[in-house]
Amino acid sequence: NAGVTQTPKFQVLKTGQSMTLQCAQDMNHNSMYWYRQDPGMGLRLIYYSASEGTTDKGEVPNGYNVSRLNKREFSLRLESAAPSQTSVYFCASIDRFGTDTQYFGPGTRLTVL
Amino acid sequence: GQSLEQPSEVTAVEGAIVQINCTYQTSGFYGLSWYQQHDGGAPTFLSYNALDGLEETGRFSSFLSRSDSYGYLLLQELQMKDSASYFCAVRVRLINFNKFYFGSGTKLNVKP
Repeated sequence: NAGVTQTPKFQVLKTGQSMTLQCAQDMNHNSMYWYRQDPGMGLRLIYYSASEGTTDKGEVPNGYNVSRLNKREFSLRLESAAPSQTSVYFCASIDRFGTDTQYFGPGTRLTVL
Repeated sequence: GQSLEQPSEVTAVEGAIVQINCTYQTSGFYGLSWYQQHDGGAPTFLSYNALDGLEETGRFSSFLSRSDSYGYLLLQELQMKDSASYFCAVRVRLINFNKFYFGSGTKLNVKP
């Protein structure tokens, strides 16, 4: 039982490049989330997926797209990276009818030059 | 909208007790959670309050007053390993879905 996994752990991009951050969970959770965390700040919600086949925008969705590929996987795509997207990205999941415990992945540290 | 306020930094000595406060303004409030995050790590769940009162989990306790839109995390018998950032998060319940809004975090420095 690996919990929530994310790849890659680190990434450096040039402005304008694109990339996809991968997230998978093996806890059979319905809901998944993508957050970004900037230095000295809390987590801000980018996109979420209440269940397989559905996605919705969070607080800071501009510049991102997501795909809920199946119940396990939820990916985040940067189409044209900008320096303002330099951040640490966390994926999380929660059981819809369970407790309020969000389980977080280890994070992806992204730098955009 | 949603807003949460917590102190940016707190310092305490090993063995002491420290309280980290969190005040919030939100619509659709359902509960208050606390998460711990060590430098370079991922947030991990500590505690949750949906109802007024105190919840105790070992050395950690969390309190909520819904009427005051206020909660706190109490850490007792502080250990060096408790040095980390602590985030409060409000849970907003949508139809069949939970959404969370996080505070900016309180950095706790535990000194010997």
